[in-house]
Amino acid sequence: AQSVAQPEDQVNVAEGNPLTVKCTYSVSGNPYLFWYVQYPNRGLQFLLKYITGDNLVKGSYGFEAEFNKSQTSFHLKKPSALVSDSALYFCAVRDVIGNEKLTFGTGTRLTIIP
Amino acid sequence: SAVISQKPSRDICQRGTSLTIQCQVDSQVTMMFWYRQQPGQSLTLIATANQGSEATYESGFVIDKFPISRPNLTFSTLTVSNMSPEDSSIYLCSVEIGSSYEQYFGPGTRLTVT
Repeated sequence: AQSVAQPEDQVNVAEGNPLTVKCTYSVSGNPYLFWYVQYPNRGLQFLLKYITGDNLVKGSYGFEAEFNKSQTSFHLKKPSALVSDSALYFCAVRDVIGNEKLTFGTGTRLTIIP
Repeated sequence: SAVISQKPSRDICQRGTSLTIQCQVDSQVTMMFWYRQQPGQSLTLIATANQGSEATYESGFVIDKFPISRPNLTFSTLTVSNMSPEDSSIYLCSVEIGSSYEQYFGPGTRLTVT
């Protein structure tokens, strides 16, 4: 079985400061990892993914994430937060072996304080 | 990426009735997915709908309650049958583009059952 944990329901960051949104995962084999963002009253938008290769992946809107196999983590980061980054962020995992199913975390609400 | 539309965007329905949600994609895709999301909460996969085969339902979801059609590579419908207030939720369709492993989501259908 595959699962994702986002330990923080809410993260508050001052504008201009670096931000981190945490994600850990569990899969039987190797993981495909994803971050999605959901703005109010809108659908989910794909931010970035890790499939293979470089552990640091870059995505939309200046976000990046680092795959850490030993810690089974895939934290989302951005060097300097913008107020417009305020949204709900979901981490998701898919096992390389077997199915096409994405399992989502419970989400982290990111609020950037002006 | 892909442009995905859903109809209706929202509806208020009486208990015991059924609602069919449509999902249209602007390109041909093999894999389509239907999710349920309580507002501000995580996504739960209902079923995977591949063209030319029966939909595959996740644990806790059955075809009699959530029949799915997938008549071609750009269109799918999800019906929520014999609705109860517990079915009030946001229903999202998504597609996987080629071999990218990325899923792209429609804007969602907000369903309220009274």
